[in-house]
Amino acid sequence: TQLLEQSPQFLSIQEGENLTVYCNSSSVFSSLQWYRQEPGEGPVLLVTVVTGGEVKKLKRLTFQFGDARKDSSLHITAAQPGDTGLYLCAGATVSNFGNEKLTFGTGTRLTIIP
Amino acid sequence: DAGVIQSPRHEVTEMGQEVTLRCKPISGHNSLFWYRQTMMRGLELLIYFNNNVPIDDSGMPEDRFSAKMPNASFSTLKIQPSEPRDSAVYFCASRHLFWAFFGQGTRLTVV
Repeated sequence: TQLLEQSPQFLSIQEGENLTVYCNSSSVFSSLQWYRQEPGEGPVLLVTVVTGGEVKKLKRLTFQFGDARKDSSLHITAAQPGDTGLYLCAGATVSNFGNEKLTFGTGTRLTIIP
Repeated sequence: DAGVIQSPRHEVTEMGQEVTLRCKPISGHNSLFWYRQTMMRGLELLIYFNNNVPIDDSGMPEDRFSAKMPNASFSTLKIQPSEPRDSAVYFCASRHLFWAFFGQGTRLTVV
């Protein structure tokens, strides 16, 4: 079983501050995804990173895939209350049958205080 | 497309009863996943299908759980008999290439 540990587990910061969330594993993934989940809803895909060292930006969010494709980070600049939610990373691995399955991290619950 | 559709949104049942959760994936997506989410264990993969065929059911807790995908547009997750520890939010997700989309989930409470 591939374990994805996220840190911190909980984070509460003031609006306008910057933050970084980490996703670490001892396993190598073919790709890694980040999701945001709001109460009462399913996770919503934010980004997929595929190549080791890849950096993707989505407005104030910057995602990086580690060189060895075992870890990833999510950096938010000038956080806003709308960024509040549960952030989940998910690693994709290829099964013996050639199919990909997603394993989710433990989650980071982010609260932005106005 | 309306996205992944799950029903019911909420289910309250008594211990020992059979529960069936339903999922309609996005048309054209060839992979379907069932997940369970709890505060203690986070989001756990129960089973996934590729082209309607179960590929990996190693996450299914025990024989009380079963899942089927009779065609590309419908899947069910059944728990028989249900137990209080099965209480959780159950999500279905469908995926095409790198893109995975989740339904809104079914909140199951077994009393």
